[in-house]
Amino acid sequence: QSVLTQPPSVSGAPGQRVTISCTGSTSNIGAGYDVHWYQQLPGAAPKLLIYNNTNRPSGVPDRFSGSKSGTSASLVLTGLQADDEADYYCQSYDISLSGQGVFGGGTKLTVL
Amino acid sequence: QVQLVQSGAEVKKPGASVKVSCKASGYTFTAYFIHWVRQAPGQGPEWMGWISPKSGNTNYAENLQGRVTMTRDTSISTVHVELTSLKSGDTAIYYCVRGLPLSFPVWSWFDPWGQGTSVTVSS
Repeated sequence: QSVLTQPPSVSGAPGQRVTISCTGSTSNIGAGYDVHWYQQLPGAAPKLLIYNNTNRPSGVPDRFSGSKSGTSASLVLTGLQADDEADYYCQSYDISLSGQGVFGGGTKLTVL
Repeated sequence: QVQLVQSGAEVKKPGASVKVSCKASGYTFTAYFIHWVRQAPGQGPEWMGWISPKSGNTNYAENLQGRVTMTRDTSISTVHVELTSLKSGDTAIYYCVRGLPLSFPVWSWFDPWGQGTSVTVSS
């Protein structure tokens, strides 16, 4: 059971927009800690996609965007492409349990 | 470029120990936090702990306390994670990941990630 909750799967057709949610609590996202997002292609290590809620590392297309509000965060993908098909994970920090990093359980994006 | 290269796959029996290595290159090794993250088959990643390569200070996830040890060798820019009393639930891909510089809060995003080391615990 992951501390951050994500939908197990989302899907969309090429060119469409999809949103992946990440729900936490008052001991992590709701306490003001930043949310980061990763993309994991099959057989590969996760790759940083969004940091500090809304920022894209260089090289990440502006089709990917992030936001945060209250105890939740969202990753939005617009103009879906076939190679966006991957697992997506959110990550933050939790002040309970002596403070530790926490991840979501992941969302599998299928491009129809 | 910044790179983290990990040691090879391991197969261990329950009750044994495993030590995974991660060699850093392309930046000042002692200037950035290193974290370890593991990912069991079909699961999301799980944070294991961090180490300061400069001081050797560590902080471990509560559920691994007493079984995990992170160390570093600054002469070869390498960090290690050792996990003892292995059980089947420790079967996972283990990743070393770089955090922020030591002058920043330890809690941050992780970038880059090592290529991962598969650890299989099976009798």
